[in-house]
Amino acid sequence: QKEVEQDPGPLSVPEGAIVSLNCTYSNSAFQYFMWYRQYSRKGPELLMYTYSSGNKEDGRFTAQVDKSSKYISLFIRDSQPSDSATYLCYFGNEKLTFGTGTRLTIIP
Amino acid sequence: KAGVTQTPRYLIKTRGQQVTLSCSPISGHRSVSWYQQTPGQGLQFLFEYFSETQRNKGNFPGRFSGRQFSNSRSEMNVSTLELGDSALYLCASKSSPGTGKETQYFGPGTRLLVL
Repeated sequence: QKEVEQDPGPLSVPEGAIVSLNCTYSNSAFQYFMWYRQYSRKGPELLMYTYSSGNKEDGRFTAQVDKSSKYISLFIRDSQPSDSATYLCYFGNEKLTFGTGTRLTIIP
Repeated sequence: KAGVTQTPRYLIKTRGQQVTLSCSPISGHRSVSWYQQTPGQGLQFLFEYFSETQRNKGNFPGRFSGRQFSNSRSEMNVSTLELGDSALYLCASKSSPGTGKETQYFGPGTRLLVL
């Protein structure tokens, strides 16, 4: 079993839709959960960061962590074409483990 | 503050050759990590350096090596290149190695094509 599984996509949704991106993990030692966003031809950049179960909101973005079920999600409300990017879940540990990424396209 | 810079941005090599990639971290950052990104495997951790010492290593063969200089600049080397080494190589810096909760700042990457 892989340590981290991320929905591979690609995912295409119309502008204004709610987007849900998900990752599951198997390592109970993971403590820090982040979402990075990577635009084409750029390096990833930190989008959201949380270390506890529950929801964390930042504008149109909500990060959800469920440690008992070992999954994390990123929700994007009122999606915009500028949200088109690859989204990577990240589990802060010594091996700096990333998910494989979900490529998202928002269609105007 | 200048971001993470990587050189070169693009590189074409042939099988069997070796390659050296360079990364300059954000000023004041002493931790540099390297990743390989491919469509099939995603972002895979290669190694992390802090204060000129390799702190962690991912599951890559010994052909992949790196080093860090006293000014925190880092280089990675791949010897005896294989076709499967074609990838985007990303460098990330952060202020300390810590426990994984620190924000990483990525460079734009070096795209390596092995023919």
